Amino acid sequence: EAGVAQSPRYKIIEKRQSVAFWCNPISGHATLYWYQQILGQGPKLLIQFQNNGVVDDSQLPKDRFSAERLKGVDSTLKIQPAKLEDSAVYLCASSPATGGTEAFFGQGTRLTVV
Amino acid sequence: SQQGEEDPQALSIQEGENATMNCSYKTSINNLQWYRQNSGRGLVHLILIRSNEREKHSGRLRVTLDTSKKSSSLLITASRAADTASYFCATASGSARQLTFGSGTQLTVLP
Repeated sequence: EAGVAQSPRYKIIEKRQSVAFWCNPISGHATLYWYQQILGQGPKLLIQFQNNGVVDDSQLPKDRFSAERLKGVDSTLKIQPAKLEDSAVYLCASSPATGGTEAFFGQGTRLTVV
Repeated sequence: SQQGEEDPQALSIQEGENATMNCSYKTSINNLQWYRQNSGRGLVHLILIRSNEREKHSGRLRVTLDTSKKSSSLLITASRAADTASYFCATASGSARQLTFGSGTQLTVLP
């Protein structure tokens, strides 16, 4: 079975620019998560989707971050405008059913804001 | 915010020794999970223990959960150099069973 696919793997942008990350979860997985992982820290949940609905976005900086999940499958996470402190690895994960079950992670996108 | 805190932050042991990592959390949970992350890679699920379970085994892994103390431990027996990685606990809680990760333990197994 194919895993969670993310692209791009690496991205370098200047501050105030915009950037988008793409995630294709495992086929049939209902729950999709986006996490931000700053170097040396644990992943921080940004947003959780159940099918194409948002169930938790309490830690998403909504003034600059946005996310959508198209038709309950693929998802994109956008940052506009980026700040230096947004430099991190952005991880996408999916779970087969409701949240709280085993999550399968993609390789992540490493973002560097200069 | 981080739900769990792992202890120790870093652990270095010799191959063949056992490694124990601890996790403490703050709120009531549905289950607790442990993940491994190799440098520069995504996280890999290791084991899940439900809130009504006290101990669980999987191969060389043993997990305990004490909900009265809001703590869990992960024991890796007979460690190998390939076990070198960061280990994170994650708690599933809230109405949407949000998965919240701790700060991690960096394990180094020396050959």
